[in-house]
Amino acid sequence: AQSVAQPEDQVNVAEGNPLTVKCTYSVSGNPYLFWYVQYPNRGLQFLLKYITGDNLVKGSYGFEAEFNKSQTSFHLKKPSALVSDSALYFCAVRGYYGGATNKLIFGTGTLLAVQP
Amino acid sequence: EAEVAQSPRYKITEKSQAVAFWCDPISGHATLYWYRQILGQGPELLVQFQDESVVDDSQLPKDRFSAERLKGVDSTLKIQPAELGDSAMYLCASSLHESYEQYFGPGTRLTVT
Repeated sequence: AQSVAQPEDQVNVAEGNPLTVKCTYSVSGNPYLFWYVQYPNRGLQFLLKYITGDNLVKGSYGFEAEFNKSQTSFHLKKPSALVSDSALYFCAVRGYYGGATNKLIFGTGTLLAVQP
Repeated sequence: EAEVAQSPRYKITEKSQAVAFWCDPISGHATLYWYRQILGQGPELLVQFQDESVVDDSQLPKDRFSAERLKGVDSTLKIQPAELGDSAMYLCASSLHESYEQYFGPGTRLTVT
């Protein structure tokens, strides 16, 4: 079965410091991986995706993610955190279940808190 | 920038009442999704449409939930009768094709009392 794990419920980081939000996955075949961000009482915003190609993927708002096949990980990173980055972050993997070939399976989310 | 529209943004209803949510996807997006997000969890797919056809409704509680996309554009999700456990955020998303990334609307926060 396809699954995604976000091992940290919350990540705290000081403004200006680098941040990492962790994600590991389990899929059969090649994974399609995504990161989304959710602000309070809002829908999810697409940040970036890995389909194929370079292991380092660059996305919106200065975020990037590193795909590591041997460790089955897709960690989200940013070199310098901003207070405005504080939000809930979801990792997702595109799975296959029955007739749905684009079913996104989400992790439980990681709350990022950036302190000024 | 084009966005997915949803209404209402908030809905409070009593148990056993009927409730409906509306979604208008980004123009040209053939694939439309309805998700349910319970507080503290990630979204879970309820139903996926390709144009006007249902591709996957395996997680849709069909005894009380229904979804339609009659003209392959906007969509309605209905719950009848609502139960206390239905309290959640209902998110609509669309994508150009099923292979592309999904774009989410702002969601409808449902509270069943």
